[in-house]
Amino acid sequence: QLQLQESGPGLVKPSETLSLTCTVSGGSISSSSYYWGWIRQPPGKGLEWIGSIYYSGRTYNNPSLKSRVTISVDTSKNQFSLKLSSVTAADTAVYYCARQPYGDRPTLIADWGQGTLVTVSS
Amino acid sequence: EIVMTQSPATLSVSPGERATLSCRASQSVSSNLAWYQQKPGQAPRLLIYGASTRATGIPARFSGSGSGTEFTLTISSLQSEDFAVYYCQQYNNWPTFGPGTKVHIK
Repeated sequence: QLQLQESGPGLVKPSETLSLTCTVSGGSISSSSYYWGWIRQPPGKGLEWIGSIYYSGRTYNNPSLKSRVTISVDTSKNQFSLKLSSVTAADTAVYYCARQPYGDRPTLIADWGQGTLVTVSS
Repeated sequence: EIVMTQSPATLSVSPGERATLSCRASQSVSSNLAWYQQKPGQAPRLLIYGASTRATGIPARFSGSGSGTEFTLTISSLQSEDFAVYYCQQYNNWPTFGPGTKVHIK
């Protein structure tokens, strides 16, 4: 049974860098069949895909966030991570990690973590 | 960016009734369209992909149709557990979501 668990600080100051890690259990992050992605949801609002990574390290990012987003993978720990720089209050959201089927590019989100709320505030 | 819109924003339905939710894309996404269900405090759950294929374990009362720019999610007979927010998502280009339709009890 695949489990995805987000971890990281729940409070980040404006202008700083948000850092989250997703630990994958019940499956290998080195599988050739999946991308591993991040999606966020501001409180009471809709969903936004942030970006995805393949186990090889190839990344795909939302163009609207691209310059601020870094996604990395650590196959030895079965984890992948998100860094979002220069955060503002608009980055306050529940952040989900997810598994996506492999293809030409990241597509649908087949499996989701439970999500973690990150608040940007001084 | 492909912009997704959904209608209506909210839908009031009695248990046992049929619900029809619409999703429109700003340009053709072929059949690269998924539907998700989200209940309060939970992560979304994949219901439909490829516009019309039910994900594993999804009851047959959920069905999807459409292609190009116009899509529909139909719940044939609403059960109490179906009251939730439903999102469509295109993946013909980098993934984008619609704003959601909230289905609540009439």
